[in-house]
Amino acid sequence: DSGVTQTPKHLITATGQRVTLRCSPRSGDLSVYWYQQSLDQGLQFLIQYYNGEERAKGNILERFSAQQFPDLHSELNLSSLELGDSALYFCASSPRARGTDTQYFGPGTRLTVL
Amino acid sequence: GIQVEQSPPDLILQEGANSTLRCNFSDSVNNLQWFHQNPWGQLINLFYIPSGTKQNGRLSATTVATERYSLLYISSSQTTDSGVYFCAVVAFNKFYFGSGTKLNVKP
Repeated sequence: DSGVTQTPKHLITATGQRVTLRCSPRSGDLSVYWYQQSLDQGLQFLIQYYNGEERAKGNILERFSAQQFPDLHSELNLSSLELGDSALYFCASSPRARGTDTQYFGPGTRLTVL
Repeated sequence: GIQVEQSPPDLILQEGANSTLRCNFSDSVNNLQWFHQNPWGQLINLFYIPSGTKQNGRLSATTVATERYSLLYISSSQTTDSGVYFCAVVAFNKFYFGSGTKLNVKP
């Protein structure tokens, strides 16, 4: 158990809908990362937050947004969903924002868009 | 963005064998990390290794940043080593992943 929790574990929804994925980092970790894993695109870095502030942005679509709250949990919002958004979404946390930090991954949320 | 290529894409080993996985990248990077995804999907961060060599048990990694490649060595492989190994390079705080090497260790 990495100490990172993600909810829900599975999510099935329809095209055009909006969903919110939640991530709670390990106790004491200030940095949260979001990743998308799909058969087509492989593993992709979406976005990183550090202590409530956006730190780095990867291949995150404009239809997607994220935030990190004062209690350090993070939410990834996906809107106007398309079939191609079906994927496994991971979050990870690390103590700080340094590249030397080990990232601890949650179990992922599997999103299916029908 | 930075291109990351991993080889081989697939690898089948008998338990106890050794293996070398390779990661090539197209540009200078600040950081390189290796990850393992087990057959149940759990991701683990194995190494942070922008240059030089590190060892952790039966796993070791070497990165030659000037030649833009990294190697992951697995010695005396075990069935629990099965899964997909990803390398990721970091430039300007962004992670770029390779497509992975899928390893199957047979008993």
